[in-house]
Amino acid sequence: QVTLKESGPGILQPSQTLSLTCTFSGFSLSTYGMGVGWIRQPSGKGLEWLANIWWDDDKYYNPSLKNRLTISKDTSNNQAFLKITNVDTADTATYYCARIVNYGSYWYFDFWGPGTMVTVSS
Amino acid sequence: DIQMTQSPASLSASLGETISIECRASEDIYSNLAWYQQKSGKSPQLLIYAANRLQDGVPSRFSGSGSGTQYSLKISGMQPEDEGDYFCLQGSKFPWTFGGGTKLELK
Repeated sequence: QVTLKESGPGILQPSQTLSLTCTFSGFSLSTYGMGVGWIRQPSGKGLEWLANIWWDDDKYYNPSLKNRLTISKDTSNNQAFLKITNVDTADTATYYCARIVNYGSYWYFDFWGPGTMVTVSS
Repeated sequence: DIQMTQSPASLSASLGETISIECRASEDIYSNLAWYQQKSGKSPQLLIYAANRLQDGVPSRFSGSGSGTQYSLKISGMQPEDEGDYFCLQGSKFPWTFGGGTKLELK
């Protein structure tokens, strides 16, 4: 059974660094082809892909967030992490992590965590 | 970036009605498209991947089709539990991008 769960600070102030943790079970990030991605969703709005990390430590970032994102993983403890530097109110959203799988050359998220709400406010 | 234009933005359907939601990509995404359902206050659930493959456990009234830049999700016989938001996702090229979403309600 695949499960993922996000954790974060809940609230933080502008200019701080947001640190998020995704703790998962039912799969390993050392398995060929596996990956974890981060996605966010402001309240009442659509989904925005942020970053992906793969079993081989390959990483991809959304360039719209420029150099503010850092994704990493701890394979031994079944965790993935996302840091966003210099946050502002526009970063207020629910943040999701999701497992990445592939069917041949088709890549997609199959299981998602319940999400963690993050509010940036002074 | 590949833009995903999803339509309609909202839809109201009667019980048993067949509906379709469309996603148009700004360039060929070679069927690298997934569809998700999101119920209020919940995380997205995968319905369809690779444009037309039904995820395990998803009712067969859901189906996907399309190729190139045009894709659609069909629900053959609206059920009350199908209310929610629907999103498409292209995984063909980075950055991965989502459609803007469709809110589906029971009439």
